[in-house]
Amino acid sequence: GENVEQHPSTLSVQEGDSAVIKCTYSDSASNYFPWYKQELGKGPQLIIDIRSNVGEKKDQRIAVTLNKTAKHFSLHITETQPEDSAVYFCAAKDAGKSTFGDGTTLTVKP
Amino acid sequence: GAVVSQHPSWVICKSGTSVKIECRSLDFQATTMFWYRQFPKQSLMLMATSNEGSKATYEQGVEKDKFLINHASLTLSTLTVTSAHPEDSSFYICSALWTGPGQPQHFGDGTRLSIL
Repeated sequence: GENVEQHPSTLSVQEGDSAVIKCTYSDSASNYFPWYKQELGKGPQLIIDIRSNVGEKKDQRIAVTLNKTAKHFSLHITETQPEDSAVYFCAAKDAGKSTFGDGTTLTVKP
Repeated sequence: GAVVSQHPSWVICKSGTSVKIECRSLDFQATTMFWYRQFPKQSLMLMATSNEGSKATYEQGVEKDKFLINHASLTLSTLTVTSAHPEDSSFYICSALWTGPGQPQHFGDGTRLSIL
């Protein structure tokens, strides 16, 4: 089955700096890669996604890159703000269920 | 706005009682719903996958007689924790998926279950 590894497990940045979270996957059949943000006591919320026919996607301060050959994808957050502090999960999906990474706790210090 | 509604958000009950959690897709028909359990500071652990009108598929190690799942309609799935015990205390999250390749899972806000 699919295996997704996510790094780092914790990340602390100063407000205004950039944050990068990386994930690798094992199944070349995976073709859809969403990123979720989970705030304390709430369910994960989709923040951005990318499909396997695209190498990069950007939405304001958030961007995701995908390298299919190397089987890795990354989340980039620029100009971080304290409200970006949360747990971020990557996932890889084929025709069936999604496989999630273990999460990254991002702390943005004001 | 929220596309998946999960209720209740928090439940406290005595050991031995059964607890039902509802998950509704609000803006779309969910042919597949997922139920996850999440321990503090850990990732999402898939418990089972349910398809409308058919029996749920449980992950290895998850007791199907303990965690009853019903997906009777395209917008509603329920998880019933039967004869709950303190070790069942956890954060349970549902997720709904609309048919089609490359579609994201939308999550509910979770249910905090505390068994005394």
